Amino acid sequence: DMKVTQMPRYLIKRMGENVLLECGQDMSHETMYWYRQDPGLGLQLIYISYDVDSNSEGDIPKGYRVSRKKREHFSLILDSAKTNQTSVYFCASSFRTNQDTQYFGPGTRLLVL
Amino acid sequence: GQQVKQSSPSLTVQEGGISILNCDYENDMFDYFAWYKKYPDNSPTLLISVRSNVDKREDGRLTVFLNKSGKHFSLHITASQPEDTAVYLCAAGGNQGGSAKLIFGEGTKLTVSS
Repeated sequence: DMKVTQMPRYLIKRMGENVLLECGQDMSHETMYWYRQDPGLGLQLIYISYDVDSNSEGDIPKGYRVSRKKREHFSLILDSAKTNQTSVYFCASSFRTNQDTQYFGPGTRLLVL
Repeated sequence: GQQVKQSSPSLTVQEGGISILNCDYENDMFDYFAWYKKYPDNSPTLLISVRSNVDKREDGRLTVFLNKSGKHFSLHITASQPEDTAVYLCAAGGNQGGSAKLIFGEGTKLTVSS
């Protein structure tokens, strides 16, 4: 069963706190993604990972960093969260290129107070 | 600027009618085009995709039309049903250097009324 999981599903943090969002996939996909979705803006790419320790900035990387130490796990880290990072965060994975189907996780709702 | 744009934030169609969702893109190097469907509080799932070497692809009630010269593609849903009510996200990408990046539009909320 092809699956992308995200933990936690819901998170409330105070401004300045650190945030760790975790993503896992069981399909041995090479490529993984972190997006955020905000009303009227669709899905915006934060970071893309082509494989272990092979990460590239997406369109809105500022304020975020990522870690991929195992092919099946991809973490998104917010050092000192800001209120404008309140959003829904989606992780996705694909076999390799952008012409392969992206499978999305269920999303994490982050509220930064 | 927005490289992939869905100009209509919302669309309402009567049950049984044809839903037409539109997407415009800027980068003429894009060669892969896709539509994803998203229910509220759920994750996006791929509906249908097409590569730039074809102008049209059908899959059941879904048809994607690609107009490369106009940098435009659309999704037609025939015999629209209430369960088609969802947000539809278009996406496009190029394959230079094995790129894995897809650019998503803002989404169009389709409501099929019975």
